[in-house]
Amino acid sequence: EDKVVQSPLSLVVHEGDTVTLNCSYEVTNFRSLLWYKQEKKAPTFLFMLTSSGIEKKSGRLSSILDNKELFSILNITATQTGDSAVYLCAVETGNQFYFGTGTSLTVIP
Amino acid sequence: KAGVTQTPRYLIKTRGQQVTLSCSPISGHRSVSWYQQTPGQGLQFLFEYFSETQRNKGNFPGRFSGRQFSNSRSEMNVSTLELGDSALYLCASSLGQATDTQYFGPGTRLTVL
Repeated sequence: EDKVVQSPLSLVVHEGDTVTLNCSYEVTNFRSLLWYKQEKKAPTFLFMLTSSGIEKKSGRLSSILDNKELFSILNITATQTGDSAVYLCAVETGNQFYFGTGTSLTVIP
Repeated sequence: KAGVTQTPRYLIKTRGQQVTLSCSPISGHRSVSWYQQTPGQGLQFLFEYFSETQRNKGNFPGRFSGRQFSNSRSEMNVSTLELGDSALYLCASSLGQATDTQYFGPGTRLTVL
C-alpha cells in the first residue's frame, strides 16, 4: 500500500531556531515529491523535488530528496512566527497524489 | 493572473442529500484535481480531470463523481451524503504535465448534519 509518513507530528520552537521536518514514503512509480505550507486556508506550494541529492532553496527554506532511502527533509532556518503552519508533504505517482498528515509547526516569539 | 476559485465557500447539507461543488482553474490550466481534507484522514486525493476526461482516481466510493467542461472548469458531485463527508474540499489546477506545480483553491467547507 502506498503511503507517506511525516515526522514529527508537531513541533514548537522559538524564533530564530532551525527546524528539520521529515517525510518518508513508500510508493510504486514515484514521480515527484512536493512540499506545501498550509495556514488557515488552502496549501501553498513550496518545492517540487524529482532528483535525488539536489537541494532546492528559497530564502530560509530548503529541501532535499533522497530517493534511495525514500525520504525528504524540509529545513527552515532562523524561524519566524510567520512560519507557524502545517507543512504537508505529497508524493506523486503515476496516477495520483499521496499526502502525509502534516507536521504542525508553532514558532513562539 | 487570477487564482483558483471555488464555489460555494461554505455549505450545510443533511444526510441523504446531494451536493455539487464548482472549481474554476487558473487561466490556461487544463488539469483540475479534487481533494478531501479532514482532521482524521488528512488530505486525500479524489480524482483528476484533464481535457474533460477523468485521468486519475483515488480510493473513494462511487457516490463521489466529477466532470470537467470544455473551459476546464470542473464540478464535483457527492450523492447520498453521509456525516463522514463533512470536510474541506479542495481543488487544485495545473498545466497538466506530470511535473507541473499544482495551485490550490481556497476550498469549500461542507458540513453534513
